[in-house]
Amino acid sequence: GNSVTQMQGQVTLSEEEFLFINCTYSTTGYPTLFWYVQYPGEGPQLLLKVTTANNKGSSRGFEATYDKGTTSFHLQKASVQESDSAVYYCVLGDLYDSGYNKLTFGKGTVLLVSP
Amino acid sequence: DAGVTQTPRHEVAEKGQTIILKCEPVSGHNDLFWYRQTKIQGLELLSYFRSKSLMEDGGAFKDRFKAEMLNSSFSTLKIQPTEPKDSAVYLCASSRDWGYEQYFGPGTRLTVL
Repeated sequence: GNSVTQMQGQVTLSEEEFLFINCTYSTTGYPTLFWYVQYPGEGPQLLLKVTTANNKGSSRGFEATYDKGTTSFHLQKASVQESDSAVYYCVLGDLYDSGYNKLTFGKGTVLLVSP
Repeated sequence: DAGVTQTPRHEVAEKGQTIILKCEPVSGHNDLFWYRQTKIQGLELLSYFRSKSLMEDGGAFKDRFKAEMLNSSFSTLKIQPTEPKDSAVYLCASSRDWGYEQYFGPGTRLTVL
């Protein structure tokens, strides 16, 4: 089956520091990879999406690159703000093998940014 | 367009009660999902509907959990009977079609005493 691994349970940074969240995945299908972000009291929302066709995505200053060789999909941001504090989920979408866009979520990484 | 709506936002139930959670997907979306979110297990898929037909009824949740989609704009999740281990946030999500992103509602926080 599909799996997603986020080793970092929590990342604590100060404003303007560099963010790197590690994600690796495993699938036998044709993956689409997502990063979702969840703010307190809300449901997860799409941050960015990458397919095997374009292998890189960016949104709101965040970037992620899909590396098929290392099966990794790390999230980066050059300079974080306090408003970026949230939970970040690496998500694997298997669009073919299961017949629909079944999502497999990582455990999530809590990002805390202090002013 | 309005996003995914879930009611109630909070629910407190006694063990053994029946509770019904409600979801209204984004207008025009064909796919609807129910998830359970806990700190230990993270997000787990409970049910998936495509054009009102039940496509997946998540294995371990079958016996006391029943999701229904009465029409294209309304779905319910019934838990009967509730147990304390059901305490979690229940999220509903919808998607325009196969391959498109899922839009999540704010969730219902269920506490079972």
